[in-house]
Amino acid sequence: GNSVTQMEGPVTLSEEAFLTINCTYTATGYPSLFWYVQYPGEGLQLLLKATKADDKGSNKGFEATYRKETTSFHLEKGSVQVSDSAVYFCLFQKLVFGTGTRLLVSP
Amino acid sequence: EAQVTQNPRYLITVTGKKLTVTCSQNMNHEYMSWYRQDPGLGLRQIYYSMNVEVTDKGDVPEGYKVSRKEKRNFPLILESPSPNQTSLYFCASSGPRDTSTDTQYFGPGTRLTVL
Repeated sequence: GNSVTQMEGPVTLSEEAFLTINCTYTATGYPSLFWYVQYPGEGLQLLLKATKADDKGSNKGFEATYRKETTSFHLEKGSVQVSDSAVYFCLFQKLVFGTGTRLLVSP
Repeated sequence: EAQVTQNPRYLITVTGKKLTVTCSQNMNHEYMSWYRQDPGLGLRQIYYSMNVEVTDKGDVPEGYKVSRKEKRNFPLILESPSPNQTSLYFCASSGPRDTSTDTQYFGPGTRLTVL
């Protein structure tokens, strides 16, 4: 069946460090893939998306590339800020969420 | 402003007392869904609706009901709430799948406590 596997957190980084949060999926066909972010006390917001293989989604310095060969959609950011502290969710199509990865960035 | 609204935002109730959490969207979206978020489990889909009068079970539908009589509204009904339904609930809506409008928009969440 369809599923999403997301790395467990929390991920703890210092400001300006490089961030990678892994997300892999199993599916038939080529689903749309999304990253959502949930800031403390708020609902989920779309961060970025990719709808087909080799697409790169980007927003607010975050990037993720839809890699068909490795069935992955890893989230990256070159230099994190304290304000990036949040929970990040990988989503496959509309239906399947990863369990979320909490990111904690310290000054 | 395009948005998904949920009410109430916070609710404390007792076991067995029927409740409804409302969800409304102003984007003319066909697709709506309900999720619950629990620590260590992420988001799990309760029910979804592809359009008016079309609803289907998600991963964890037990103990919940929904209805979709109008396109904009998708209420979540707990006929007889139990403590294991204490959770944070999110409503979401989007356009048809695999279109430029298939991004989901989420409501602000409803924190429910069942004593």
